[in-house]
Amino acid sequence: DGGITQSPKYLFRKEGQNVTLSCEQNLNHDAMYWYRQDPGQGLRLIYYSQIVNDFQKGDIAEGYSVSREKKESFPLTVTSAQKNPTAFYLCASSAFSGPYNEQFFGPGTRLTVL
Amino acid sequence: DQQVKQNSPSLSVQEGRISILNCDYTNSMFDYFLWYKKYPAEGPTFLISISSIKDKNEDGRFTVFLNKSAKHLSLHIVPSQPGDSAVYFCAASARGAGSYQLTFGKGTKLSVIP
Repeated sequence: DGGITQSPKYLFRKEGQNVTLSCEQNLNHDAMYWYRQDPGQGLRLIYYSQIVNDFQKGDIAEGYSVSREKKESFPLTVTSAQKNPTAFYLCASSAFSGPYNEQFFGPGTRLTVL
Repeated sequence: DQQVKQNSPSLSVQEGRISILNCDYTNSMFDYFLWYKKYPAEGPTFLISISSIKDKNEDGRFTVFLNKSAKHLSLHIVPSQPGDSAVYFCAASARGAGSYQLTFGKGTKLSVIP
């Protein structure tokens, strides 16, 4: 079954700790994205990657880091520098080429920092 | 500065009637528009899209209309069903400018009353 998996579904961390959120896709998509959703807000882009070993900052990259060592994987690290890390994090992927490369989303990870 | 606006945070519709969700945008570079549906604690799922070369796209009960001069699009759901109750996000990208990033609105929560 092709799709995007994010783990874990719920994650709790103490303030000051770094935490890494997993995102894996088996859709053979070139591009992958990380978004953050807060209550009453739309999805805001944190980082995106169009190709392995390359990634770009989105609108709210401060306090986050990513890596793209494999096509299938795009982990997001929420660092202690992120001022307000509690949120719902969504990973997405899309085919890079072609006119109809809609983004497909994973189920999300809810991070709560205590 | 919001480039994609969904001015109605919520909408209630009777089952069987038409639901109309609206979206306005300000960036004239946007040329591809998408609607996503999202249930709580899940990732958004792609519903329907429209390119700026069209003014209408239909898929079953879902129709998206685009008015480029007004920078306005709408999603019509006919007939509305209780299972349509969710948050609907409008998103836009500037593909002609080489950008496949999506800019999302804040969403409209649709409640379909049986």
